[in-house]
Amino acid sequence: ETGVTQSPTHLIKTRGQQVTLRCSSQSGHNTVSWYQQALGQGPQFIFQYYREEENGRGNFPPRFSGLQFPNYSSELNVNALELDDSALYLCASSLAVGGYGYTFGSGTRLTVV
Amino acid sequence: GQQLNQSPQSMFIQEGEDVSMNCTSSSIFNTWLWYKQDPGEGPVLLIALYKAGELTSNGRLTAQFGITRKDSFLNISASIPSDVGIYFCAGPTNAGGTSYGKLTFGQGTILTVHP
Repeated sequence: ETGVTQSPTHLIKTRGQQVTLRCSSQSGHNTVSWYQQALGQGPQFIFQYYREEENGRGNFPPRFSGLQFPNYSSELNVNALELDDSALYLCASSLAVGGYGYTFGSGTRLTVV
Repeated sequence: GQQLNQSPQSMFIQEGEDVSMNCTSSSIFNTWLWYKQDPGEGPVLLIALYKAGELTSNGRLTAQFGITRKDSFLNISASIPSDVGIYFCAGPTNAGGTSYGKLTFGQGTILTVHP
């Protein structure tokens, strides 16, 4: 059973650019959540996808968007990057039911310069 | 919005010592979760608490769900060097739809264990 895989592991982008981060869910998991973790802070919920539809969103602007594919993998897209978008972006997958058995990936470290 | 406050922010202890940290909220949570995050990794779930007053153990770790539903405690007994990391409390956040996976995290307690 494979865990949650995120790519790339590190990324440097320029302010104003767009970025796409990718996540492969753990086998059998159909729900994906994305979190942003700034340095020295706890993760903050961005949004969740279940059955290819957004299922709840945190306090993030519309330039943060996502997709979930039929194989339950997911993408996080961020447009018009700002310096404050520099953070560790975490993907977590789970079954939609059954408590909080979330498996987090190791994250993508995004630096905006 | 819902916020979780963890204390202490950091701890420096000797190997073998016991550790205690807590998490408080101004609002009620129906589930409390404790995670550990190692450098360069995502958080890993240590203990989940679902009932007020519940006391749950996982090896040397013990966590309690506060009776007021506004706090939780995590204790680590006989610490070892591999306990080093950041410990987060978390609880379900109100973000619409089903609640699974939408978590509010505290800011973390950084634990350093000296051999």
